[in-house]
Amino acid sequence: GAGVSQSPSNKVTEKGKDVELRCDPISGHTALYWYRQSLGQGLEFLIYFQGNSAPDKSGLPSDRFSAERTGGSVSTLTIQRTQQEDSAVYLCASTDPPSYEQYFGPGTRLTVT
Amino acid sequence: RKEVEQDPGPFNVPEGATVAFNCTYSNSASQSFFWYRQDCRKEPKLLMSVYSSGNEDGRFTAQLNRASQYISLLIRDSKLSDSATYLCVVNRARSGGSYIPTFGRGTSLIVHP
Repeated sequence: GAGVSQSPSNKVTEKGKDVELRCDPISGHTALYWYRQSLGQGLEFLIYFQGNSAPDKSGLPSDRFSAERTGGSVSTLTIQRTQQEDSAVYLCASTDPPSYEQYFGPGTRLTVT
Repeated sequence: RKEVEQDPGPFNVPEGATVAFNCTYSNSASQSFFWYRQDCRKEPKLLMSVYSSGNEDGRFTAQLNRASQYISLLIRDSKLSDSATYLCVVNRARSGGSYIPTFGRGTSLIVHP
């Protein structure tokens, strides 16, 4: 079956611009996570959606970061006024039940120049 | 102390060798445990779950020691294709019911001919 997809695969943007990253989770998965991974670093949790519950935003590094999940499916991560330190690979994962295996998308490599 | 700690390596071993990685976690309320594999510039993929009684999948054996709060991964008869970064993942329910996995930074394994 179809896995988790993300778009775009690569994004180069100028400092100060806004970007939107998209994630299509596996159909039927109720939990969706966003992470980012900087070069040589571990995965940093950003935000978690579970069903219709309020998202857990505890990992968002600043108020420039936001995310939404429409209809319990597709999710968009928005970074406003991008900074060079935002450059990283942004990974989305979905799972069901939420305590179990995470299926990752291929990621979006964001470069802020 | 970090919630999940791993020796970053690299572990440099010849083909056919047996190699073991440990991962320590700090929160005794942790409930589920996993090993993921991440190839260079790829997304993480589940290698195996870690059960309390220990579990084996072919050349791979995972063990959990709750008393000492660590999990281990043993790879027997290493193959060149085992070269990757191995991520330790610890999961627990947070306040409000969120399940947010914590990823270790990974242990790099290089298997050489």
